[in-house]
Amino acid sequence: DSGVTQTPKHLITATGQRVTLRCSPRSGDLSVYWYQQSLDQGLQFLIHYYNGEERAKGNILERFSAQQFPDLHSELNLSSLELGDSALYFCASSRERTDTQYFGPGTRLTVL
Amino acid sequence: KNEVEQSPQNLTAQEGEFITINCSYSVGISALHWLQQHPGGGIVSLFMLSSGKKKHGRLIATINIQEKHSSLHITASHPRDSAVYICAVEVGNTDKLIFGTGTRLQVFP
Repeated sequence: DSGVTQTPKHLITATGQRVTLRCSPRSGDLSVYWYQQSLDQGLQFLIHYYNGEERAKGNILERFSAQQFPDLHSELNLSSLELGDSALYFCASSRERTDTQYFGPGTRLTVL
Repeated sequence: KNEVEQSPQNLTAQEGEFITINCSYSVGISALHWLQQHPGGGIVSLFMLSSGKKKHGRLIATINIQEKHSSLHITASHPRDSAVYICAVEVGNTDKLIFGTGTRLQVFP
């Protein structure tokens, strides 16, 4: 158990819908990272937050947005969902931006 | 050409064998990560390194910054080492990560 929690574990929804994925980092960790893992693209970095502020953006679509709240938990919002958004979404946390990352168990999103 | 290349893509070994997985990258980096992903999907960070060598149990990771190359070694491999091993690099000081496509390792008893 990494200490990072993600909810929900599984999510099945329809095209065009909007969903919110939640991540609670390990106690004391200031950095939260979001990743997408699909069968054809492998792991891709989406976005990084540090202590409430966005630090870096990767291959994150405009339909996706994220935020980190004052209690340091983070949410990833996916809207106008498409079939290709079906993937495993991981979050990871670290104490500082240069420390080892601890991964959550992931949320499996299926878009039908 | 991918910015992070791993080899081999697939690896099969007998229990007890010495394993080497390679990672080459073409961008300037601030750190390199080695991750392990088990069949159930969970990801564990094995190493984060920016120079030299690190060892943890039977696992050793090395990096050569000049040659833009890193290796992950597993000594005395065991069936429980069967997993996908993924290399990822932090680009410069951007906080962005680029992942390799992974190496699938199967260790047979």
